[in-house]
Amino acid sequence: NAGVTQTPKFQVLKTGQSMTLQCAQDMNHEYMSWYRQDPGMGLRLIHYSVGAGITDQGEVPNGYNVSRSTTEDFPLRLLSAAPSQTSVYFCASSFSVNTEAFFGQGTRLTVV
Amino acid sequence: AQSVTQPDIHITVSEGASLELRCNYSYGATPYLFWYVQSPGQGLQLLLKYFSGDTLVQGIKGFEAEFKRSQSSFNLRKPSVHWSDAAEYFCAVGPGGNNDMRFGAGTRLTVKP
Repeated sequence: NAGVTQTPKFQVLKTGQSMTLQCAQDMNHEYMSWYRQDPGMGLRLIHYSVGAGITDQGEVPNGYNVSRSTTEDFPLRLLSAAPSQTSVYFCASSFSVNTEAFFGQGTRLTVV
Repeated sequence: AQSVTQPDIHITVSEGASLELRCNYSYGATPYLFWYVQSPGQGLQLLLKYFSGDTLVQGIKGFEAEFKRSQSSFNLRKPSVHWSDAAEYFCAVGPGGNNDMRFGAGTRLTVKP
């Protein structure tokens, strides 16, 4: 029962570097999303997808790209890392936006 | 756009005492409401959800929540708190106009022995 798998769990980047956070789910969920969690701000939606080939922006999309070529995978790309992107990132999937979301374990990203 | 407010950043209760965590939402129609719990270093787990029907919903781990439309609230309750309930709790509302889910800032629960 893998559920939602995020890699890596920890990452340190230098300012200006790019990287991809991986997210995969094995529940055949159509809806997938990326959140960042910052102290005192809860979870803020970065990007989401309602199915393969369809993505849209959330509340805080700047500096991030996503793609959804398959139902299973939803990678998040940081184009040019900035210290403001230091955060914990969570990927989630659900059958639809109105049903229970299953979360990955998170990726703790530090940008120096 | 929908929004969620959790007025209490941090709550401390004694083990065995009752608990109520507050959640207020802003939403133009009948909302879908959720409570999630996050243990340290972990992802979020669903405690309970409200879509329609009975306004008192039961969840896992002995939690319940009551939807009060007149007060735009969805408070989480537990009659007797256990030390293992120490965690961060998030209220969420959706879907929004962008087909998204909005989370509150969270309430951190500390349980005293």
